[in-house]
Amino acid sequence: EVQLVQSGAEVKEAGETLKLSCLGSAYTLTNDWIGWVRQMPGTGLEWVAIMSPGDSETTYSPSFQGRVTVSVDKASNTAYLQWSSLRASDSALYYCARLVRVGATGHYFDYWGQGTLVTVSS
Amino acid sequence: SYDLTQPPSVSVSPGQTANISCSGDKLGEKYVTWYHQKPGQSPVVVMYQDKKRPSGIPARFSGSNSGNTATLTISGTQPMDEADYYCQTWDSDTVVLGGGTKLTVL
Repeated sequence: EVQLVQSGAEVKEAGETLKLSCLGSAYTLTNDWIGWVRQMPGTGLEWVAIMSPGDSETTYSPSFQGRVTVSVDKASNTAYLQWSSLRASDSALYYCARLVRVGATGHYFDYWGQGTLVTVSS
Repeated sequence: SYDLTQPPSVSVSPGQTANISCSGDKLGEKYVTWYHQKPGQSPVVVMYQDKKRPSGIPARFSGSNSGNTATLTISGTQPMDEADYYCQTWDSDTVVLGGGTKLTVL
């Protein structure tokens, strides 16, 4: 069964760096697009970025452009979401999810990781 | 940017029909996906391409999409259906997510 296994919860201070991981299990991550979604406490889902691991084509949400970087390590079948300088406002639950691409507008996330909780203190 | 609007909350009695709407400009010309998310869990797809149910999703879930509104319908709603529901589409090569609807079954 396809699984996305995310790294454990993180507690950081503002200004620190952070790299979250998302390991593809029972499927080759580079075969499909992968996305990252943020959920702040008590709020809805916000997409952060989507990436084609095969050719590293990446699209960032305008809200996150310049704040985060997504990448993939094909050898370890792992995707990453990273920050170079965290802010308290980055505190949230972050999900990775596999993106199924259907036609022009039918794309959707079919498998989701369990989420990684990030807490940033100021 | 393209926006999807959902009602913040919908309430339904057990056994009744729940309709959760999602509105956007000419939304009927796009495909819509619906997710539900229960407390402490990751989102799960309950409907994709407007009206296709993934395996494992009960037949009481159905979807439609026309004009400016997509609707997720839950017939014979059960207490286990209580969750947050999100609609999602695609526009200009980017993901668009609705704000979510809290479905209360009481």
